[in-house]
Amino acid sequence: KAGVTQTPRYLIKTRGQQVTLSCSPISGHRSVSWYQQTPGQGLQFLFEYFSETQRNKGNFPGRFSGRQFSNSRSEMNVSTLELGDSALYLCASSLTPLSGNTIYFGEGSWLTVV
Amino acid sequence: SQQGEEDPQALSIQEGENATMNCSYKTSINNLQWYRQNSGRGLVHLILIRSNEREKHSGRLRVTLDTSKKSSSLLITASRAADTASYFCATDGTGNQFYFGTGTSLTVIP
Repeated sequence: KAGVTQTPRYLIKTRGQQVTLSCSPISGHRSVSWYQQTPGQGLQFLFEYFSETQRNKGNFPGRFSGRQFSNSRSEMNVSTLELGDSALYLCASSLTPLSGNTIYFGEGSWLTVV
Repeated sequence: SQQGEEDPQALSIQEGENATMNCSYKTSINNLQWYRQNSGRGLVHLILIRSNEREKHSGRLRVTLDTSKKSSSLLITASRAADTASYFCATDGTGNQFYFGTGTSLTVIP
């Protein structure tokens, strides 16, 4: 069974631009969450989606947004990019949002903002 | 703030030795999970331990949980060069909002 797939794997953007990252969860998984990983802040929760609804959001500015489609695929968008947005963005999926479910991570999308 | 903190931050051992890393967290949890991350890659799930469990094994991995001390440890026995990676503990918050620790960077020298 295919794992969590994230695209693109690497991208470079200029300050002020916007970016959209895509995540396809494991087949049958309906919960998708996003994390930002940086050397200084570590792994930080961005948001979580289940059945096309955002259930939870981390402490990030409104420039960070996301959505989930009816096939459980998810996208996240960052507008007006800043240098500090350079990070590894990780998507994770699980069957449902219930605590105790194992969440499976994709390989991540490396975003560099110049 | 992050829930978990791993200790030590970095660990270097010889192949064949055991590696122990610890995780402390701040609030009550339902579950604690350990993940491995190879450089620049995604996180790989290693083991989940529930709050009512004290010890769990999976292959060369042994995880303990002490909820009274709010701490967990991950033991990797008979380490291999391929175990070189960063290891994170994650505790559950609301839904699938996990709080990750800062990670332990493990280097296994062949």
